[in-house]
Amino acid sequence: NAGVTQTPKFQVLKTGQSMTLQCAQDMNHNSMYWYRQDPGMGLRLIYYSASEGTTDKGEVPNGYNVSRLNKREFSLRLESAAPSQTSVYFCASSVQTTDTEAFFGQGTRLTVV
Amino acid sequence: QKEVEQNSGPLSVPEGAIASLNCTYSDRVSQSFFWYRQYSGKSPELIMSIYSNGDKEDGRFTAQLNKASQYVSLLIRDSQPSDSATYLCAVNTGTASKLTFGTGTRLQVTL
Repeated sequence: NAGVTQTPKFQVLKTGQSMTLQCAQDMNHNSMYWYRQDPGMGLRLIYYSASEGTTDKGEVPNGYNVSRLNKREFSLRLESAAPSQTSVYFCASSVQTTDTEAFFGQGTRLTVV
Repeated sequence: QKEVEQNSGPLSVPEGAIASLNCTYSDRVSQSFFWYRQYSGKSPELIMSIYSNGDKEDGRFTAQLNKASQYVSLLIRDSQPSDSATYLCAVNTGTASKLTFGTGTRLQVTL
């Protein structure tokens, strides 16, 4: 069972470069999320999609854009990467946004130099 | 005040002892509560969910919820070295449509 799959696992970018992090889930979940995790900061929500066709900002959306391509896929784009975006990024999905647990992908470790 | 607060630890317990992990939250309308375990370099994995006041047991794990005190805890009985990890408390308010995480408590189970 694949669950939530993220690509790539590792990435090094130069300041100002752009890239898209891909996420796909095969659990027929309605809701998907992007989090970033930094030391001492816990998991912080960047954007989420409650259902196909909708996206909303989370706690730290600046510098990011998202696309809910279809029910399975939710991508995160960095248009102009900055060193402050060096982090571990996790995609997650859940049946719905309320009262249900989220399942996480394996993470993308991004370094911006 | 942070929405979800946890002591960062490390919490060190000897093998076979009970580990007690605590979490407080600020939003009184919070409805769903989750404990995730995260090994170093890995993604969080769900170990317990609790939705109503009281205790919920699953094997060696017991989650406790007290909504009046805005407090949720996780007890791990017969702690094993394999339990050494960071434990993340997560709270869903039901209205904000998002899962808010604490910063996690690092647990070390010593031999």
